[in-house]
Amino acid sequence: EAGVTQSPTHLIKTRGQQATLRCSPISGHTSVYWYQQALGLGLQFLLWYDEGEERNRGNFPPRFSGRQFPNYSSELNVNALELEDSALYLCASSPNPTWTDTQYFGPGTRLTVL
Amino acid sequence: AQSVTQLGSHVSVSEGALVLLRCNYSSSVPPYLFWYVQYPNQGLQLLLKYTSAATLVKGINGFEAEFKKSETSFHLTKPSAHMSDAAEYFCAVSVTGNQFYFGTGTSLTVIP
Repeated sequence: EAGVTQSPTHLIKTRGQQATLRCSPISGHTSVYWYQQALGLGLQFLLWYDEGEERNRGNFPPRFSGRQFPNYSSELNVNALELEDSALYLCASSPNPTWTDTQYFGPGTRLTVL
Repeated sequence: AQSVTQLGSHVSVSEGALVLLRCNYSSSVPPYLFWYVQYPNQGLQLLLKYTSAATLVKGINGFEAEFKKSETSFHLTKPSAHMSDAAEYFCAVSVTGNQFYFGTGTSLTVIP
């Protein structure tokens, strides 16, 4: 069974640009979660999608947004990039829309903002 | 509100020694508790999960954790460290209808 995949592996942008990160969940999983892992800050919850809808978001500004497609894959968009957006962005999926279910993580996208 | 505290951002043990990684949580309702491991340049992998069944939870790779409600702790242990255990370990808490809260992680170094 294929795991959660993310693309690209690395992404380099400059301040003010937009970044688009992609995630494909495990087959049969309907929920997708996005996290930011910045140096020294642990994992910070960004967004949760299930069945195509945004279910919850963390304490991040509106320039962080995303969507989930009918095939349950997901996209994270970061507009007006700032230097502090440099981080590893992790996507996870779970089979059920409940926070008590195990989340399966992808390898992440390393975003560098110059 | 829920939160997770991992004491010690860096822990070093000798190969063959006991591994003890500490996690304390705060939750107003019975929580679900998780330990995840992150190997270099990889995503997170579930080690074990507490879901209100047995208080002693056994996970993969010889790790286990004990839920102690009185101490609000969920420390991770392994009797004998192996070089391959070197990684970042994250404790997380979740309650129904709420989000995951991850600790800031503990980096484990195993000394040969």
